Amino acid sequence: DAGVIQSPRHEVTEMGQEVTLRCKLISGHNSLFWYRQTMMRGLELLIYFNNNVPIDDSGMPEDRFSAKMPNASFSTLKIQPSEPRDSAVYFCASSPQGLGKNIQYFGAGTRLSVL
Amino acid sequence: GQQLNQSPQSMFIQEGEDVSMNCTSSSIFNTWLWYKQDPGEGPVLLIALYKAGELTSNGRLTAQFGITRKDSFLNISASIPSDVGIYFCAGQVTNDYKLSFGAGTTVTVRA
Repeated sequence: DAGVIQSPRHEVTEMGQEVTLRCKLISGHNSLFWYRQTMMRGLELLIYFNNNVPIDDSGMPEDRFSAKMPNASFSTLKIQPSEPRDSAVYFCASSPQGLGKNIQYFGAGTRLSVL
Repeated sequence: GQQLNQSPQSMFIQEGEDVSMNCTSSSIFNTWLWYKQDPGEGPVLLIALYKAGELTSNGRLTAQFGITRKDSFLNISASIPSDVGIYFCAGQVTNDYKLSFGAGTTVTVRA
């Protein structure tokens, strides 16, 4: 079975450019989480969707960040305009349900470098 | 989410040794999870624990859900080079989607 698929795996861009990260959920999962991982802060939850609806976006750093789920199996995280401090590894994770004994399965991540 | 204290932060071990790491919290959790992250990859679930006192094994890995619900332990027996990586604990409260992660334990194995 395919796991969570993220693309691109690596992204290098210049400050001010728009960046779009993509995530395909595991089939049948209906919860989607975007995380950011840095050495200083570890894993931080950015946003959580359940059944395509954003439930908690309190972790989104600022208005430059936006996330969408255009359908049940796909999500995007957009940064516009990007800044060097956005450099990090971004993970998405999916889960079969929103609550209860529901494990989060992580993708391989997108390593973003903003120059 | 709540803060988890994971220790040790890092460890160098000899191949064949047993390894122990733990997580503690000031809050009660109803689920404890242990993940491993290899370099350049995402965290992969190793063991999930759902009941206080539960002891669960996955190959050479054994994890326990503390009786107080505020801690969990992971043991790796007879370590091998592929055990290298970062191990994260995560706690979850029932009916809460959020996972609280520890800062990770970096394991390096000397051949």
